[in-house]
Amino acid sequence: AQSVTQLDSHVSVSEGTPVLLRCNYSSSYSPSLFWYVQHPNKGLQLLLKYTSAATLVKGINGFEAEFKKSETSFHLTKPSAHMSDAAEYFCVVSNYGGATNKLIFGTGTLLAVQP
Amino acid sequence: EPEVTQTPSHQVTQMGQEVILRCVPISNHLYFYWYRQILGQKVEFLVSFYNNEISEKSEIFDDQFSVERPDGSNFTLKIRSTKLEDSAMYFCASSEAGTVLNQPQHFGDGTRLSIL
Repeated sequence: AQSVTQLDSHVSVSEGTPVLLRCNYSSSYSPSLFWYVQHPNKGLQLLLKYTSAATLVKGINGFEAEFKKSETSFHLTKPSAHMSDAAEYFCVVSNYGGATNKLIFGTGTLLAVQP
Repeated sequence: EPEVTQTPSHQVTQMGQEVILRCVPISNHLYFYWYRQILGQKVEFLVSFYNNEISEKSEIFDDQFSVERPDGSNFTLKIRSTKLEDSAMYFCASSEAGTVLNQPQHFGDGTRLSIL
């Protein structure tokens, strides 16, 4: 069975400093991995996806993530945080071999950006 | 950019009443999903739907729940006799294809269901 573990429930950074949100996955197969962001009172927006092509994946709003099989990690990074990045971020794995790719969510990381 | 829309944004219902949550998926999408997020907990898969039938459902999706695509554009989740523990944010999602292409799922803004 697939699963993801988000190592930090809260991360606080200053505006203009780098962001690192950590995620480890467990999968018997080569996984499909996603990062979604949820701003307050909004839905889940796709930031980026990894589906076994390039291991460094670029997403929207300057975010990127690197798939590292040896470390079973898929950490999300951004070189310089902006106030608008404050939100909850979810690492997600797709259920390989399932009929319809149900998504399995991590517990989320709440990112706070200080001025 | 096309988006998934959900109505209502907030639904308050008495325990034991029936509730219907509505979703309009992206028009060329073929797969439809419902997830829920109880306050302070993970987002959980409920059900997926393809070709007018349920493809997969979780243990949460018991006889109290049903889904329907009544008219080719709407996708609804019905909860027959609501319980206090059904209070949650319910998200609808849709995708172009399933396993083969690993297409991402696009989510609506959710319906916050409050059971009194």
